[in-house]
Amino acid sequence: DTEVTQTPKHLVMGMTNKKSLKCEQHMGHRAMYWYKQKAKKPPELMFVYSYEKLSINESVPSRFSPECPNSSLLNLHLHALQPEDSALYLCASSQLVSLYGYTFGSGTRLTVV
Amino acid sequence: KQEVTQIPAALSVPEGENLVLNCSFTDSAIYNLQWFRQDPGKGLTSLLLIQSSQREQTSGRLNASLDKSSGRSTLYIAASQPGDSATYLCAVSSLRTSGSRLTFGEGTQLTVNP
Repeated sequence: DTEVTQTPKHLVMGMTNKKSLKCEQHMGHRAMYWYKQKAKKPPELMFVYSYEKLSINESVPSRFSPECPNSSLLNLHLHALQPEDSALYLCASSQLVSLYGYTFGSGTRLTVV
Repeated sequence: KQEVTQIPAALSVPEGENLVLNCSFTDSAIYNLQWFRQDPGKGLTSLLLIQSSQREQTSGRLNASLDKSSGRSTLYIAASQPGDSATYLCAVSSLRTSGSRLTFGEGTQLTVNP
């Protein structure tokens, strides 16, 4: 299995809702990432998990809460989002020193109304 | 701080043409460089990965080169097809950040016309 699987593919949520994005990989990668991508811009790093521990938080607002329950799963919990948080959310994984590159999922298109 | 620049920002070519996309980076202390393809609203598909010790990688009609000392990479696409239309992103994994993050260029939006 050489894929990163993200669910759901599309999500529409109100500003008072709580929702979660899920990401799964079975490649044995010990680093997992959340990226945010706005239209016509490159992906921006949000969080990095190494060995299931949060190693990088790029000053992301607390309304985004990541969780890594085990080495194969990564969640992003969403609460009280703003319309400007609407974007494509991408999950990626890699070996810890990324010698073999990064593998990205197909993303979740999030719309906040 | 690593900065990655891609030229051109957009490119429109007729089908069958050979083309070159350019990527430059400011810090040569990299683990590797990766070229991705992104279709509108979709995720990133890895095309080629070049380790810092390598000079080039090939996959089918694609060839990527790396000149680490000058901070440049090129992606060569031979005999372009309409299905190649997409945004192409160059990304470097930097040694100073322990390989834990990628720095992306802004991308080249390619349109191949039938």
